[in-house]
Amino acid sequence: QSVLTQTPSASGTPGQTVILSCSGGRSNIGWNTVNWYQQLPGTAPKLLIHTTDQRPSGVPDRFSGSKSGTSGSLVISGLQSEDEAIYYCAAWDDSLNGVIFGGGTKLTVL
Amino acid sequence: EVQLVESGGALVKPGGSLRLSCAASGFAFTDAYMSWVRQPPGKGLEWVARIKRETHGGTTDYGAAVKGRFTISRDDSTNALYLQLDSLKPEDTAVYYCTTLVALRFPESWGQGTLVTVSS
Repeated sequence: QSVLTQTPSASGTPGQTVILSCSGGRSNIGWNTVNWYQQLPGTAPKLLIHTTDQRPSGVPDRFSGSKSGTSGSLVISGLQSEDEAIYYCAAWDDSLNGVIFGGGTKLTVL
Repeated sequence: EVQLVESGGALVKPGGSLRLSCAASGFAFTDAYMSWVRQPPGKGLEWVARIKRETHGGTTDYGAAVKGRFTISRDDSTNALYLQLDSLKPEDTAVYYCTTLVALRFPESWGQGTLVTVSS
């Protein structure tokens, strides 16, 4: 069972905006940044957002991140078929002294 | 371009040992913090270990599930990262990824992974 909680599945239609959430606690998201990864089928994960709201070069600005209290959010605007993937959140946990991942949200583009 | 190539994955019996390697190129390996992350088949991601750059002490951190059984190390002379896996259990079965880190903590670039299967 993951320390960070994500909804197992989500869906949207092309062009829509979807919001994926990640719920944690004080020792992780509460005191630290949230990070997001995208994993396409059969491939290694890809860093999508780091330090809560920073996009690595090459990541489209359709992807944005934010945090409020002990929860983080990933917003995907202008949903595209190639966004169909599993999305994982991650944070540093001060109690565990390590990185923890959420269980992942499988996003389906209808 | 960052390149990370893992090797060493295999089928091993419970209680056995294995050494994974990661060949790194395309960035200043000596300056980098590095980590291993694993993913059991059909399941989510699990952080395994991190090693700091030598000038920051080269110290290591481990996930609770592997602490005391796995050892992360690096060879800056050959740009290689290693993970020694001892006392292996069936639940260690996973694809193991080598990663660079962003903000000193979070996986940034990932290799293609190497599969470790622990089974009798």
